[in-house]
Amino acid sequence: GDSVTQMEGPVTLSEEAFLTINCTYTATGYPSLFWYVQYPGEGLQLLLKATKADDKGSNKGFEATYRKETTSFHLEKGSVQVSDSAVYFCALLPPSGSARQLTFGSGTQLTVLP
Amino acid sequence: DGGITQSPKYLFRKEGQNVTLSCEQNLNHDAMYWYRQDPGQGLRLIYYSQIVNDFQKGDIAEGYSVSREKKESFPLTVTSAQKNPTAFYLCASRLTFSGTTLYNEQFFGPGTRLTVL
Repeated sequence: GDSVTQMEGPVTLSEEAFLTINCTYTATGYPSLFWYVQYPGEGLQLLLKATKADDKGSNKGFEATYRKETTSFHLEKGSVQVSDSAVYFCALLPPSGSARQLTFGSGTQLTVLP
Repeated sequence: DGGITQSPKYLFRKEGQNVTLSCEQNLNHDAMYWYRQDPGQGLRLIYYSQIVNDFQKGDIAEGYSVSREKKESFPLTVTSAQKNPTAFYLCASRLTFSGTTLYNEQFFGPGTRLTVL
């Protein structure tokens, strides 16, 4: 079945540091890929997405590129801020079929220190 | 403003009691979902519904029940058969099609934290 593997956290960075959170997936065909962010005590918010190979999703300074050859969708940001502290989830949606449910990674806790 | 509301934000239940979590959306979305989140884990799908009066079990449906009598509402009942119900519960919705455009994004509510005493 489909699966998503994220780098284990927690990740602690200083403000303005470079961020990478690794995400790899296992799926048939070309799934859609997503990054969601969850701030403390809240629901999930869609951060960015990519629907086909080599697409780059971007939002709020975050970027991720859909790499079919390495089945990866790593999240990057050039300069993190304290306000980026949250849990980040990688997720995939199968390309077709009646189910088409999101499969989530286990989440990566990011803490940014001033 | 359009969005998804969940109530209550915090819920306490005694063992052996059933409890119902509310989820309402005014986004005119077709599909609705319930997820369970445990500390340090990802989200697990409990139930989902793609149209009114129809719903399917997710990966961990045992001990839960749902109904979808209205497009905008998808309440979740946690029954006494659920052995470990303490968790954070998230509701989500998705607009499936508009014209010929397929929409993939799920939008999430703020969540309900259920604690069994």
